[in-house]
Amino acid sequence: DTGVSQDPRHKITKRGQNVTFRCDPISEHNRLYWYRQTLGQGPEFLTYFQNEAQLEKSRLLSDRFSAERPKGSFSTLEIQRTEQGDSAMYLCASSLLSQGLYGYTFGSGTRLTVV
Amino acid sequence: GENVEQHPSTLSVQEGDSAVIKCTYSDSASNYFPWYKQELGKRPQLIIDIRSNVGEKKDQRIAVTLNKTAKHFSLHITETQPEDSAVYFCAAPNGGSQGNLIFGKGTKLSVKP
Repeated sequence: DTGVSQDPRHKITKRGQNVTFRCDPISEHNRLYWYRQTLGQGPEFLTYFQNEAQLEKSRLLSDRFSAERPKGSFSTLEIQRTEQGDSAMYLCASSLLSQGLYGYTFGSGTRLTVV
Repeated sequence: GENVEQHPSTLSVQEGDSAVIKCTYSDSASNYFPWYKQELGKRPQLIIDIRSNVGEKKDQRIAVTLNKTAKHFSLHITETQPEDSAVYFCAAPNGGSQGNLIFGKGTKLSVKP
């Protein structure tokens, strides 16, 4: 596998339910990022990890959102008590720090619909 | 933090014509400017980037120019083809961040055969 994998591709959930998304980065990449994209907008930064350490979180990331990267490999993004405003495409990206801070490779995303 | 403005929001050109998309940024310390292409239903893909120590970079039919004084950078696509039709996003580093990009709102490019 040479790309960033995200699972699931689509998720429909009822308001108030919890959801969890998974991202598997390119294996040698030590940085992993989560972005959110709504229709007609560019990706918005949520958080990023360097290895297993979460180094930065956006103000967009409310207390209902939590992200982990327990072994410095795959990452999960959990949204608790989902709201309709959480409906968006959640994109994961990874990069290799030694190749530059911003050389992202994005995954195909998880599209969340909250009904 | 950084603020990125992108224009136009939509652009329609005839096949073979050139297309230009412009972005402005606010943080004079920004030093890296990528462009991403996103086809419908697909992931954003990096197509070209430029660092602040150069004024222009080319890759076949695609070029990016940077004007640090005016704080703007532009994507130029020559000899457009229908497969160039997509949404294009510019981005710049968020001030003080070590990896966080701020994206423009995107330009939907349509290339008519």
